[in-house]
Amino acid sequence: EPEVTQTPSHQVTQMGQEVILRCVPISNHLYFYWYRQILGQKVEFLVSFYNNEISEKSEIFDDQFSVERPDGSNFTLKIRSTKLEDSAMYFCASSVGLAGVYNEQFFGPGTRLTVL
Amino acid sequence: TQLLEQSPQFLSIQEGENLTVYCNSSSVFSSLQWYRQEPGEGPVLLVTVVTGGEVKKLKRLTFQFGDARKDSSLHITAAQPGDTGLYLCAALSGVTSGTYKYIFGTGTRLKVLA
Repeated sequence: EPEVTQTPSHQVTQMGQEVILRCVPISNHLYFYWYRQILGQKVEFLVSFYNNEISEKSEIFDDQFSVERPDGSNFTLKIRSTKLEDSAMYFCASSVGLAGVYNEQFFGPGTRLTVL
Repeated sequence: TQLLEQSPQFLSIQEGENLTVYCNSSSVFSSLQWYRQEPGEGPVLLVTVVTGGEVKKLKRLTFQFGDARKDSSLHITAAQPGDTGLYLCAALSGVTSGTYKYIFGTGTRLKVLA
């Protein structure tokens, strides 16, 4: 069964460093998403991406964040200068169409980012 | 800002007991999804409810969408240890404004003791 994969599973970085989180969405999916979940808190929408551009982004997704689809398979989230409060689980998801009633979004296993 | 509040936040019950968790909002949604998340994994979709008053069953799980499409409930009959996990409701917000953002509820962490 096709699945969303994410690498690395755990990333430890120093505050101020840049990190790139990688995701391989399901191959025939057209919509891609990033979410984050701070420990003990709810899953929060960061950004959606379609047709090689950002569709929507949340207030969390500030200038420190960027997304890219560098090739036909990978979808990346870059945090330019990490802060302590960026420590969280980051989930990638993908869907055939815009996620909602008719289109299920499938989540990857997540990358745990720890900023020291 | 559209919010989804879930209750209870935590629930610990014995195997065989029944339970209900709730997802409430002041906003109307065109649909609502329920997910289950296990430690170290991403959320997995259980069901989507669309019509006000709709009831859907998935084995021992019964999902109901409120008549006004502002709230939903998940009822588990005869809970088993395998039901342990974080249950999340979610919905697509901003549909009327065209700013589509997926929002998640605060979650109910269920533990079923053998």
